[in-house]
Amino acid sequence: DTGVSQDPRHKITKRGQNVTFRCDPISEHNRLYWYRQTLGQGPEFLTYFQNEAQLEKSRLLSDRFSAERPKGSFSTLEIQRTEQGDSAMYLCASSPRTGLPPETQYFGPGTRLLVL
Amino acid sequence: DAKTTQPTSMDCAEGRAANLPCNHSTISGNEYVYWYRQIHSQGPQYIIHGLKNNETNEMASLIITEDRKSSTLILPHATLRDTAVYYCIVRPPPNFGNEKLTFGTGTRLTIIP
Repeated sequence: DTGVSQDPRHKITKRGQNVTFRCDPISEHNRLYWYRQTLGQGPEFLTYFQNEAQLEKSRLLSDRFSAERPKGSFSTLEIQRTEQGDSAMYLCASSPRTGLPPETQYFGPGTRLLVL
Repeated sequence: DAKTTQPTSMDCAEGRAANLPCNHSTISGNEYVYWYRQIHSQGPQYIIHGLKNNETNEMASLIITEDRKSSTLILPHATLRDTAVYYCIVRPPPNFGNEKLTFGTGTRLTIIP
């Protein structure tokens, strides 16, 4: 399978614990995005990388959230001191940088987080 | 980004054409219309995009009005596997400083057997 993969697919944690999610983009896609989706809503943008550089962060990304893409390949999203409001689906997407539309974003299956 | 308005839900009989409308009356001249869909428990999937002209690919057709204030996504022969939430998104061209996708709440399309 050469699509975007995410690990784990499901995570249950207790309030106050730290969690880390991993995303492996499609090989050679130099852009990588993180989105969050709560029940009944569309995905909301969190942040994106071009290679290893984090170029944009949403105000939704509080200081408890940190994302990295150290070698421009896989990325991690860490949430520290989780809160019940962090319960959501966390989606990762990747796209090639062609400079031309559509620069399609290919999404992974997501990591569903439940904070108890 | 221009705001989009879509109906909350629609039904369509299997085998018929599904026509999903989208209103984007504040679209700017260089903004594209994109459609994605999200099948239950999966990530969103790109369907089609357009600027001014009507577009067709193996999945769907996109009809954009001449004033570009609205568009319609057409699934020509809907199957049960087309049951999903469909998102209409307006987005500047790449490298205009806004690379993210801004999703609304979309249209929940249910294909009826």
